[in-house]
Amino acid sequence: AQTVTQSQPEMSVQEAETVTLSCTYDTSESNYYLFWYKQPPSRQMILVIRQEAYKQQNATENRFSVNFQKAAKSFSLKISDSQLGDTAMYFCAFGNNNDMRFGAGTRLTVKP
Amino acid sequence: DTGVSQNPRHKITKRGQNVTFRCDPISEHNRLYWYRQTLGQGPEFLTYFQNEAQLEKSRLLSDRFSAERPKGSFSTLEIQRTEQGDSAMYLCASSSMSSGNTIYFGEGSWLTVV
Repeated sequence: AQTVTQSQPEMSVQEAETVTLSCTYDTSESNYYLFWYKQPPSRQMILVIRQEAYKQQNATENRFSVNFQKAAKSFSLKISDSQLGDTAMYFCAFGNNNDMRFGAGTRLTVKP
Repeated sequence: DTGVSQNPRHKITKRGQNVTFRCDPISEHNRLYWYRQTLGQGPEFLTYFQNEAQLEKSRLLSDRFSAERPKGSFSTLEIQRTEQGDSAMYLCASSSMSSGNTIYFGEGSWLTVV
């Protein structure tokens, strides 16, 4: 069974600074997808960024980028130029053709 | 495209009562998922449909829980004889091959069992 581990329950960052959220996963599969989702307080879960395991190039989406280390089964999220609106729970997720499993989340607070 | 729609958004029920939640996925998505989320935790997988077929069920889905997806469109999640431990947010999500296996969530249905 796939497992996803987020070892940082809470993190904080000053506005405009850079922060990295960690995620590791365990799987025996070779084809899969990795995702970071954001869940603002009392708001809907939305996709931040995704990475296909077969792609070596790290995904980038504006201020959000990932560091995908397939051999180490590591998938960290870097948020550059942090904004107050980035304050949320961030969930790392592992997906294949059947389902998606989530980590326990990291609560990120961006301080003014 | 109106996204994934769930209702009711909030439900308060007495212990022992039955509740049913409905999910309408994004129209062209053939995959539908149910998750449960408690405060401060990540979503826990409950079950997954591809079209009308229920392909996987979590051990979390006890015999009091049943999910259906008739005709491969909307889905319902029913909880019978609710217990206080069932209090949580129930999230529905959908995806398709064309969405690159990215799943899109609804706003969730909050259940409070008193």
